[in-house]
Amino acid sequence: GDSVTQMEGPVTLSEEAFLTINCTYTATGYPSLFWYVQYPGEGLQLLLKATKADDKGSNKGFEATYRKETTSFHLEKGSVQVSDSAVYFCARGGYGGATNKLIFGTGTLLAVQP
Amino acid sequence: SAVISQKPSRDICQRGTSLTIQCQVDSQVTMMFWYRQQPGQSLTLIATANQGSEATYESGFVIDKFPISRPNLTFSTLTVSNMSPEDSSIYLCALGDTQYFGPGTRLTVL
Repeated sequence: GDSVTQMEGPVTLSEEAFLTINCTYTATGYPSLFWYVQYPGEGLQLLLKATKADDKGSNKGFEATYRKETTSFHLEKGSVQVSDSAVYFCARGGYGGATNKLIFGTGTLLAVQP
Repeated sequence: SAVISQKPSRDICQRGTSLTIQCQVDSQVTMMFWYRQQPGQSLTLIATANQGSEATYESGFVIDKFPISRPNLTFSTLTVSNMSPEDSSIYLCALGDTQYFGPGTRLTVL
């Protein structure tokens, strides 16, 4: 069935390191793709999204490119900060009348050390 | 962007009781959803709250357990009925138009 697979965490990095969190999805079409972030004790925030193949979503120094060839939407940031420590969720939308229903990955905990 | 609020923000309830969670948006939205995030896990869609008609439930969720109301385009409620400790989760409403989420309601069932 439809699914989203993320790399397992926790991911532990030093400040200013390069970040990649892998995300792949299964789909028979081209759903919209999303990254959400959940900071400790806070709600879920939309970080970025891409709605069609080859689109690049970006926000707060984070980027992800919609790769239909590899069905991937990996999250990257060139230089992480301690304040980026959070859980990151990859998600995809549905099809047809269900384009706005989201299927989430399991989440990846990122811990950035000073 | 729309401002989404939920009440209560958290609650501790006894087994067998019911809790109604409210979701209020400061503008009219077409689609609203309810999700559940069990402890340490990802989010799962419970149902689509349809304005003026019965909610549409995902596999594994039923109306008797999670009745939903959507009386207008800015408001919805989710009731967690006959609660058990397994219902301890964060419950979130979400807007289909923007994929924004409310702050969540943290429910603990003893």
